[in-house]
Amino acid sequence: GAGVSQSPSNKVTEKGKDVELRCDPISGHTALYWYRQSLGQGLEFLIYFQGNSAPDKSGLPSDRFSAERTGGSVSTLTIQRTQQEDSAVYLCASSLGVGGNEQFFGPGTRLTVL
Amino acid sequence: GDSVTQMEGPVTLSEEAFLTINCTYTATGYPSLFWYVQYPGEGLQLLLKATKADDKGSNKGFEATYRKETTSFHLEKGSVQVSDSAVYFCALRPGGGADGLTFGKGTHLIIQP
Repeated sequence: GAGVSQSPSNKVTEKGKDVELRCDPISGHTALYWYRQSLGQGLEFLIYFQGNSAPDKSGLPSDRFSAERTGGSVSTLTIQRTQQEDSAVYLCASSLGVGGNEQFFGPGTRLTVL
Repeated sequence: GDSVTQMEGPVTLSEEAFLTINCTYTATGYPSLFWYVQYPGEGLQLLLKATKADDKGSNKGFEATYRKETTSFHLEKGSVQVSDSAVYFCALRPGGGADGLTFGKGTHLIIQP
């Protein structure tokens, strides 16, 4: 398929462990976004990339969260020393560029921290 | 900071009823406004958008008009179908170069035959 893909689809981890979530954007999309969807907070913006640069990291909840993007394509979101409040669905989206272009969303990674 | 407020539901209607889902926003500058929909078991999809005041977005029989004077972007449909059952999210993208979307908490819509 040509859509945004994310892996894994589900991840269960123990409190204190590190996790890595992966996003493959639509080919040719230069902008990539990470969001978090949780019951208490709804959908929250975390970070976006234009190419490999992240102009806006304002939504990252703490310094345990980091993200990178290489080759203008795949992105990984890393959560260190996971906490139970990190449990959520992590969504990735991509678009042709920043600005008014439509953001296409992936199916998400459901993270459960025990 | 920017925020979006929408009725959370669930909203239950009969087929062919008229639908309104209210959405109001707080933002500095001139945001773009969006409605996204999440059908059961599927990812978020853009339903419609409006980028400036008085613009009307429309798609699949749904409409929403960007009202700057009331800071609103209410979603309407004249005759809903069972297949419209989904969660609907109102969102804004700030003006001034910032690009992440700010979402409302979502409205769960249930259409009964």
